[in-house]
Amino acid sequence: AQRVTQPEKLLSVFKGAPVELKCNYSYSGSPELFWYVQYSRQRLQLLLRHISRESIKGFTADLNKGETSFHLKKPFAQEEDSAMYYCALRDNYGQNFVFGPGTRLSVLP
Amino acid sequence: DSGVTQTPKHLITATGQRVTLRCSPRSGDLSVYWYQQSLDQGLQFLIQYYNGEERAKGNILERFSAQQFPDLHSELNLSSLELGDSALYFCASSPGVGGDTEAFFGQGTRLTVV
Repeated sequence: AQRVTQPEKLLSVFKGAPVELKCNYSYSGSPELFWYVQYSRQRLQLLLRHISRESIKGFTADLNKGETSFHLKKPFAQEEDSAMYYCALRDNYGQNFVFGPGTRLSVLP
Repeated sequence: DSGVTQTPKHLITATGQRVTLRCSPRSGDLSVYWYQQSLDQGLQFLIQYYNGEERAKGNILERFSAQQFPDLHSELNLSSLELGDSALYFCASSPGVGGDTEAFFGQGTRLTVV
């Protein structure tokens, strides 16, 4: 069965410091991975997806199939990055989205 | 605006009662997902519908049920409500076909059970 894990519930970094939010997954097929961001209990918004290999708001994520990981990285964190981040996997067979438990990023001044 | 509409935005009700949450997906999206977000539990997948049929089931209680109608809107029914059911309930939609389609989320319904 597919599963997404995010080992850190809370991650605090200082402004300007690098940040890495970890995401690991288990899935038997070829996964599609996404990162969603949620600011202050608002709606979840797509941040980026692995298939497009883009950088949004300075964030990047690389799919590592060998390590079954899709960690989210940003070289210099900003205070406005403080939010809840969810890693998600899309099940191509069932079209279902499975979300990890989320990591709350707090960027300190 | 994601194009996904959820009503009502807020709901306060008493224990033991029954409520219905409504979701209108983005135009053309066939898949609808329901999620529960509690303060201490993150985002929990409840159920998915695709073109009117149940497609996947998550941690949905037997007191909860959902359906997707021919016009593709969906309703989540919560009955015999308990204090622990207080949460944000999100609906999301996606086209539901192959490709790198993402899920688009509504703003959620905040349910408070008193």
